[in-house]
Amino acid sequence: NAGVTQTPKFQVLKTGQSMTLQCAQDMNHNSMYWYRQDPGMGLRLIYYSASEGTTDKGEVPNGYNVSRLNKREFSLRLESAAPSQTSVYFCASSEFNRNYEQYFGPGTRLTVT
Amino acid sequence: DQQVKQNSPSLSVQEGRISILNCDYTNSMFDYFLWYKKYPAEGPTFLISISSIKDKNEDGRFTVFLNKSAKHLSLHIVPSQPGDSAVYFCAARANRDDKIIFGKGTRLHILP
Repeated sequence: NAGVTQTPKFQVLKTGQSMTLQCAQDMNHNSMYWYRQDPGMGLRLIYYSASEGTTDKGEVPNGYNVSRLNKREFSLRLESAAPSQTSVYFCASSEFNRNYEQYFGPGTRLTVT
Repeated sequence: DQQVKQNSPSLSVQEGRISILNCDYTNSMFDYFLWYKKYPAEGPTFLISISSIKDKNEDGRFTVFLNKSAKHLSLHIVPSQPGDSAVYFCAARANRDDKIIFGKGTRLHILP
């Protein structure tokens, strides 16, 4: 039981390049989330998916797109990376009806130059 | 506007003493509160939670207190241990919402 896995662990992009961050969970959770963590800013929600087939914007969605591929997988895409998107990205999942605890992946450290 | 506020960016506590981390919130619709712990280069992990119908929840060395009238909660760690050195995030959920709102975190240093 791996929990929440994220790939890649590290990535360096040039401004304007695109990439997709992958996330998968094996806990059969309905809800999945993407956060970014910046120094002094805590965890800010980018997008979330309450169930397969639905996605909603969070606090900081600009510059990102998401796909809930199936119940297990939730990907985050940067179409044209900008230096302001340099951050650590965390994926999380939860079962809505069970105490709202979110289980987090290990994170992806992204640097945009 | 921040709905969940952790006003102390960092806190240092002697090993064996009590650590008290504070959190304030502004949204009266919040009905569930959680604390997460995060080590460097790892994802946050759930620590303890409390429903708004309670004023205290205890789990081993960790106790969370909720004061709804003051819109304030606190996490007490007794006794503090070296492994407790981490960043602690307070989070809250509004009734029927699918998401939780995180504070900016407090870095706890346990001193030998």
